[in-house]
Amino acid sequence: QVQLQESGPGLVKPSETLSLTCSVSGGSISDYYWIWIRQPPGQGLEWIGYSYFTGSTNYNPSLKSRVSISVDTSKNLFSLKVTSVTAADTAVYYCARALVNAFGGPDAFDLWGQGTRVTVSS
Amino acid sequence: DIQMTQSPSSLSASVGDRVTITCRASQNIGTSLNWYQQKSGKAPNLLIYAASILQSGVPSRFSGSGSGTDFTLIINSLHPEDFATYYCQQSYNSPPISFGPGTRVDVK
Repeated sequence: QVQLQESGPGLVKPSETLSLTCSVSGGSISDYYWIWIRQPPGQGLEWIGYSYFTGSTNYNPSLKSRVSISVDTSKNLFSLKVTSVTAADTAVYYCARALVNAFGGPDAFDLWGQGTRVTVSS
Repeated sequence: DIQMTQSPSSLSASVGDRVTITCRASQNIGTSLNWYQQKSGKAPNLLIYAASILQSGVPSRFSGSGSGTDFTLIINSLHPEDFATYYCQQSYNSPPISFGPGTRVDVK
């Protein structure tokens, strides 16, 4: 079955760039939205942004100036970059897949990676 | 932006209890409402989408209802594995996609 797996450094220094990859195995990256969500310690879920498989993206306005998401259909993976990180970016980062809703946008997140913990600290 | 609220923020229940969790949207979202379960240290898991449709593989003791601004998740006869945190999420207006703050269900 389709599985998602996040990978990337668990420790990032303040002011540097956080880079994560989500590998999609067992299925195609086409025809879905690909999502990044994060969860700070002890807190709720925060949507970071998404990319359609075509490369069309949308980001949380609160993070938009620092975030980019890209899809590599040849490698069946998608990636997240967050620039100028601070301690507030410390969180578990999840990648997920979203179905397409009737309006053509992302719908429910039906598949999630296990999550990867990222700590921002010097 | 659409704001999502949930009530209660936490509740204590016993195995066999019927549990009701409410989610409210700050504006009409039709039935573009999804529910997730998150167990401690694990990724969230989709339970219900489009307000009332049970995701494949999810036990039938879970049900969802509502439309517009008010939605409900019901767990009939709580099982031991149901102690977790539950989140609602609207998929009507993007961006931004928004989640509710969560409802923690723990053991009475």
